[in-house]
Amino acid sequence: RKEVEQDPGPFNVPEGATVAFNCTYSNSASQSFFWYRQDCRKEPKLLMSVYSSGNEDGRFTAQLNRASQYISLLIRDSKLSDSATYLCAVGNDYKLSFGAGTTVTVRA
Amino acid sequence: DAGVIQSPRHEVTEMGQEVTLRCKPISGHNSLFWYRQTMMRGLELLIYFNNNVPIDDSGMPEDRFSAKMPNASFSTLKIQPSEPRDSAVYFCASSSGGANTEAFFGQGTRLTVV
Repeated sequence: RKEVEQDPGPFNVPEGATVAFNCTYSNSASQSFFWYRQDCRKEPKLLMSVYSSGNEDGRFTAQLNRASQYISLLIRDSKLSDSATYLCAVGNDYKLSFGAGTTVTVRA
Repeated sequence: DAGVIQSPRHEVTEMGQEVTLRCKPISGHNSLFWYRQTMMRGLELLIYFNNNVPIDDSGMPEDRFSAKMPNASFSTLKIQPSEPRDSAVYFCASSSGGANTEAFFGQGTRLTVV
């Protein structure tokens, strides 16, 4: 079983829609959780960290469910510029493992 | 700060040749990661350094791959001999606190082995 798994999508949504997707992790001792964004042929960049209590950054909301070992990302009022691949990352001490990414395409 | 700097940005080489990828982490960061990204396997962690010491190289695919970090400002990933299946984008990333803080990625090296 992979350490971090994501639904690859693609999620194809109209502008203004809400889109949400999850990421599951296998190591219950994982300590840190992140969402990264990767644009085509570019490097991943941090979108937001995920805290136990959940957190929000503008139109983006991240949640952590330790009992079921998954994190989620919700994008409200999606914009064309939100089109990208979203990678979840799970950290345990020194090891930062990434999922394969969920592709989101926002159409006009 | 210039961020994580990788070179070369693109590399095309023939099978059997030696390839060396270079990385300069962000100054002050004590953790450095090498990743490989392909469509099939996603972003795979190859090796992790903490304070210039290799902590975990279990992700290195085979003996053809080696990595060094002779000082805090420089790391290399070497493939010898290279094979077509090594074709991928190789990313270097650094952080100030291991896996518990944001990792900053370089722009990557796109390697093609023909």
